[in-house]
Amino acid sequence: TQLLEQSPQFLSIQEGENLTVYCNSSSVFSSLQWYRQEPGEGPVLLVTVVTGGEVKKLKRLTFQFGDARKDSSLHITAAQTGDTGLYLCAGDSNYQLIWGAGTKLIIKP
Amino acid sequence: DSGVTQTPKHLITATGQRVTLRCSPRSGDLSVYWYQQSLDQGLQFLIQYYNGEERAKGNILERFSAQQFPDLHSELNLSSLELGDSALYFCASSGISAGNTIYFGEGSWLTVV
Repeated sequence: TQLLEQSPQFLSIQEGENLTVYCNSSSVFSSLQWYRQEPGEGPVLLVTVVTGGEVKKLKRLTFQFGDARKDSSLHITAAQTGDTGLYLCAGDSNYQLIWGAGTKLIIKP
Repeated sequence: DSGVTQTPKHLITATGQRVTLRCSPRSGDLSVYWYQQSLDQGLQFLIQYYNGEERAKGNILERFSAQQFPDLHSELNLSSLELGDSALYFCASSGISAGNTIYFGEGSWLTVV
């Protein structure tokens, strides 16, 4: 069974701080996606990383795909209250998405 | 607005009952996915349909079934409901026009009492 482990499961920090969320697996993925989900809504795709070692930036969010395509990280710089939400990673394996359990992020004003 | 429409948004029903959740995918999307999200299980993939045919099966119970109709809308049928089936059920769709990006609906909240 393929697993995608996310850490931490829960993170509560002050506005302005930096944070990193990790997504790890023993399996290789052809691509990895990061989603953000707000209460009462479905997950929304933030980014897809495809190439090992790839780094993508989305404003204050930096996504990195591990060289071996088994892990990924999401780094948020100077977090804002609007970043609050559930962050999910999903790895593409044989055209099926394997989902992490999510990181619940709370940014306090 | 993702373009994926789910009904009903909220549903309360008793144990042992049967419910049907409905999903209209984004215009032109041929793939429809169903997911279950509960507090202790995270997002669980249930089943995928592509243009009316079952494409992939995940952790879907035998009490649950789904289908995709010729107009591409989909229904998820949940029967012999148990308290543990209480969860948020998401439908999602994808299509070539959007590079196979998966778009989620807002979900159907099911509470079994």
